[in-house]
Amino acid sequence: QKEVEQDPGPLSVPEGAIVSLNCTYSNSAFQYFMWYRQYSRKGPELLMYTYSSGNKEDGRFTAQVDKSSKYISLFIRDSQPSDSATYLCAMSGSGANSKLTFGKGITLSVRP
Amino acid sequence: GAVVSQHPSWVICKSGTSVKIECRSLDFQATTMFWYRQFPKQSLMLMATSNEGSKATYEQGVEKDKFLINHASLTLSTLTVTSAHPEDSSFYICSASDPASGRYNEQFFGPGTRLTVL
Repeated sequence: QKEVEQDPGPLSVPEGAIVSLNCTYSNSAFQYFMWYRQYSRKGPELLMYTYSSGNKEDGRFTAQVDKSSKYISLFIRDSQPSDSATYLCAMSGSGANSKLTFGKGITLSVRP
Repeated sequence: GAVVSQHPSWVICKSGTSVKIECRSLDFQATTMFWYRQFPKQSLMLMATSNEGSKATYEQGVEKDKFLINHASLTLSTLTVTSAHPEDSSFYICSASDPASGRYNEQFFGPGTRLTVL
């Protein structure tokens, strides 16, 4: 079993749809949970950063972490064509400069 | 947010030659930098963790003699792919941690370098 599993996709939705992206993990030591967005041929950029369980909202984006189920989600409301990209979940332990473990990524396409 | 640059953005080289990729933190000092490799439609695979002034820590399966990492200053780390072969063709991405960011373990990524070995 991989440490981080992410739905492989790809995912195609119409503009305005609500998108739900999910990752599961097996390492209970993970404490920090992140979602990155990566456009084609570019480096990843941080979208959401959360510590431990709970919800965090930033504009149209909401990140949820359920440590008891080892499950994290990213919701995108009112999706736009500009949201079309690859989304990667990432997580790390609590040590200083702990390495990030990434999910495989899911490619989202938002149709106008 | 903190900015990380990479140079070159793309490079094509002949098999057997060496290629150096630079990673710079432009507006912060990075004591730790990370080097990743990403194949098409795959996730980022960590190759090594680079700490300023000390030897890099390589992930299992990554040849340290083939992928030379130097982190000589707080703003610059370099990755040299020695005796490159076609199978080394990939997208190489660096990231850096900013101790002043206030976010534990947050990494800022560079734009990546696409290496093609002929």
